[in-house]
Amino acid sequence: EAQVTQNPRYLITVTGKKLTVTCSQNMNHEYMSWYRQDPGLGLRQIYYSMNVEATDKGDVPEGYKVSRKEKRNFPLILESPSPNQTSLYFCASSLGLAGGQADTQYFGPGTRLTVL
Amino acid sequence: AQSVTQLDSQVPVFEEAPVELRCNYSSSVSVYLFWYVQYPNQGLQLLLKYLSGSTLVKSINGFEAEFNKSQTSFHLRKPSVHISDTAEYFCAVTKGFQKLVFGTGTRLLVSP
Repeated sequence: EAQVTQNPRYLITVTGKKLTVTCSQNMNHEYMSWYRQDPGLGLRQIYYSMNVEATDKGDVPEGYKVSRKEKRNFPLILESPSPNQTSLYFCASSLGLAGGQADTQYFGPGTRLTVL
Repeated sequence: AQSVTQLDSQVPVFEEAPVELRCNYSSSVSVYLFWYVQYPNQGLQLLLKYLSGSTLVKSINGFEAEFNKSQTSFHLRKPSVHISDTAEYFCAVTKGFQKLVFGTGTRLLVSP
């Protein structure tokens, strides 16, 4: 089954304790992206990647890091989480250049993060 | 800069009634427009999109949206909703290659 998976689905942590949220897709997609969803703000892009070893900042990158060493994986790293990073996080992927400018993005199930 | 406005944060409706979810966008260039749906505890799924051509686009589950360039709108409609349509609906516009700018979402609540 074609899908985007995220782990963990739920995470409660404390301020300053480094964490990683994994994202993996099995569709051989080139483009991957991370979003955070907050009430009243919709989804905002954190980082995106056009392909392996090619990452760039989205609209709200502060406090986050990403890496893209393999095509299928795009982990989101919070090196020193703070309470304002409490949110619902979504990973998404799409074909990329082959799909054109308006290609459909496929979303993972989400990771609900609480930072105390 | 592109932006998306969804005027209604929540729309309550009775089953089998018609519904319209409003979306307006601002852009100085040609855009591609999307509606995504998020069912409870799930990720977003594409409902429909407008790229070019016919201004009326339809989804497989009875929703449709009409691109109106003069009013910069892309409202989503369904003539008769089901309980299973209860979800949050996001309008989005492209900003550059593959980059989606989302509205704040409209929660559709369908009651019996």
